[in-house]
Amino acid sequence: EAQVTQNPRYLITVTGKKLTVTCSQNMNHEYMSWYRQDPGLGLRQIYYSMNVEVTDKGDVPEGYKVSRKEKRNFPLILESPSPNQTSLYFCASSDGTSGNEQFFGPGTRLTVL
Amino acid sequence: GQNIDQPTEMTATEGAIVQINCTYQTSGFNGLFWYQQHAGEAPTFLSYNVLDGLEEKGRFSSFLSRSKGYSYLLLKELQMKDSASYLCAVRATIMTTDSWGKLQFGAGTQVVVTP
Repeated sequence: EAQVTQNPRYLITVTGKKLTVTCSQNMNHEYMSWYRQDPGLGLRQIYYSMNVEVTDKGDVPEGYKVSRKEKRNFPLILESPSPNQTSLYFCASSDGTSGNEQFFGPGTRLTVL
Repeated sequence: GQNIDQPTEMTATEGAIVQINCTYQTSGFNGLFWYQQHAGEAPTFLSYNVLDGLEEKGRFSSFLSRSKGYSYLLLKELQMKDSASYLCAVRATIMTTDSWGKLQFGAGTQVVVTP
């Protein structure tokens, strides 16, 4: 089944404790992206990747890191999480040739205390 | 940068038609998307417009006017399951890097369908 998976789905952590949210897709998509969703603000793009080893900043990259060492994986790293990073996070992927339909993962609800 | 505006909420009756407007300001426009998001779920793709005109897909249609920075999503024959948030998103090409990956979403329009 074609899908985007994220882990963990839920996480409660404390300020400053490094964490990684994994994202994996099995559709051989070139393009992957991370978003956060907050009430009243909608989806905001954090980082995106056009292909392996190619990443770029979205609108809200501060406090986040990403890497794209393999095509299927695009982990989101929070080196020192803070309470303002409490949010719902979505990973998405799409075919780079058309780049039109993005497939979203199920979301990761992160709480930073 | 990009500014995307869409109404916060709309209410309509089952079987009716609802039109959700989206206006945007952007440089390097490279496509407009509509997504549907049910509460607690991930967004799902509805439509994509890059040229002016109407794209029809079953009960849903999307229209784009690039000169006016305007799009709408038309939902016909509304069903209760259409109650959801509808997200307008604009993709821009970053001219300095020839990257088309940057995507910005509006805050979403909550559509409430009543019996």
